[in-house]
Amino acid sequence: QVQLVESGGGVVQPGRSLRLSCAASGFTFSTYGFHWVRQAPGKGLEWVAVIWYDGSNKYYADSVKGRFTISRDDSKNTLFLQMNSLRADDTAVYYCARDSGYQLLQWGQGTLVTVSS
Amino acid sequence: QTVVTQEPSFSVSPGGTVTLTCGLSSGSVSTNYYPSWYQQTPGQAPRTLIYSTNTRSSGVPDRFSGSILGNKAALTITGAQADDESDYYCVLYLGGGSWVFGGGTKLTVL
Repeated sequence: QVQLVESGGGVVQPGRSLRLSCAASGFTFSTYGFHWVRQAPGKGLEWVAVIWYDGSNKYYADSVKGRFTISRDDSKNTLFLQMNSLRADDTAVYYCARDSGYQLLQWGQGTLVTVSS
Repeated sequence: QTVVTQEPSFSVSPGGTVTLTCGLSSGSVSTNYYPSWYQQTPGQAPRTLIYSTNTRSSGVPDRFSGSILGNKAALTITGAQADDESDYYCVLYLGGGSWVFGGGTKLTVL
């Protein structure tokens, strides 16, 4: 069955970097686009970024543009989110989600990123 | 900046029917926005309920249904049960590689 497993979260100081991974299984990874979505503690869901199935297009929320980079490695069935210049307001659970026709259908369980000195 | 609006909270009696809505700060929601709905309980990942406006995700009970009502997307729960007490989120595709979630609705069943 479809499985998405995020990893790479942890505690990081403001201004530092972190890379999240999302390992996929149970389907043909290279034929799907993927999203990152985050949820700050006690807050709602916020869309972060998307990458097209072939990597040809990448889009970002204004709140992370220029600091975060989404990428994929089809040989490893893995999605990434490189997060630079982290700020306290980036503290959140980060979810990856598989896209299907512009819709987020399957979700991972999330990984917590805490930005704190 | 486009804002997706949802009722902050709603209450329904067990066995009752409730309709949650998902609107736009300017303009009307249509199927072209590919509205989807998610259920989330504390500490859990979102669960996809409805996509493409009105298609139920696999395993979702048929008491959940989606539609366009007027100028908004809507999620209707018919015959609400205690375990439907959750947060519900909608998301709209605004085009140009941009998605926006609504602020979520906290549903209480009592």
